[in-house]
Amino acid sequence: GQNIDQPTEMTATEGAIVQINCTYQTSGFNGLFWYQQHAGEAPTFLSYNVLDGLEEKGRFSSFLSRSKGYSYLLLKELQMKDSASYLCAVSIHQAGTALIFGKGTTLSVSS
Amino acid sequence: GAGVSQSPSNKVTEKGKDVELRCDPISGHTALYWYRQSLGQGLEFLIYFQGNSAPDKSGLPSDRFSAERTGGSVSTLTIQRTQQEDSAVYLCASSLEGTSGSYEQYFGPGTRLTVT
Repeated sequence: GQNIDQPTEMTATEGAIVQINCTYQTSGFNGLFWYQQHAGEAPTFLSYNVLDGLEEKGRFSSFLSRSKGYSYLLLKELQMKDSASYLCAVSIHQAGTALIFGKGTTLSVSS
Repeated sequence: GAGVSQSPSNKVTEKGKDVELRCDPISGHTALYWYRQSLGQGLEFLIYFQGNSAPDKSGLPSDRFSAERTGGSVSTLTIQRTQQEDSAVYLCASSLEGTSGSYEQYFGPGTRLTVT
């Protein structure tokens, strides 16, 4: 079966750094995505990793270790607007790219 | 440009009725996906269309669920004889193409379905 685990909730303060971890066990692997979803809104794309290592994009970075089945999303200089759910998703097919999602991590940023 | 649109935004129906949910993908996107998101659960894949190929229906939870995509664009998800456990937010997404795993999926705002 497919399994993607991430913490349910995290809290942090403005200006801080937070790391959201994701571990996966899937029948295939064709890349790992992170999406952000504000309450009542559609998920929006943050990052994509298919090779091991760190991808940096502004305040957000994402890391992947395929051998460990592990990824993390790093958010720097947290802002109140970063309060949202962060969804880890794995693309498991070489052809046909349905995503398998974790349940999401709800991040609350306080002042 | 316009993003993925879905209609209706909210749908309340009685148990046993049929419902149709509509998705308009981003123009030019050949891949279209349906997911559902239940309270406290992750997004669950339902069905995937790529161009004119036969759809991947492996995620449909029962034969009460079906979907079609006309003219390679608009898609309709139909749920027959709705049950209370069908209550969820149904999200549609599209991507430029679906044969490579690297293309990000753009999500619509979803249809919140409530079965009473």
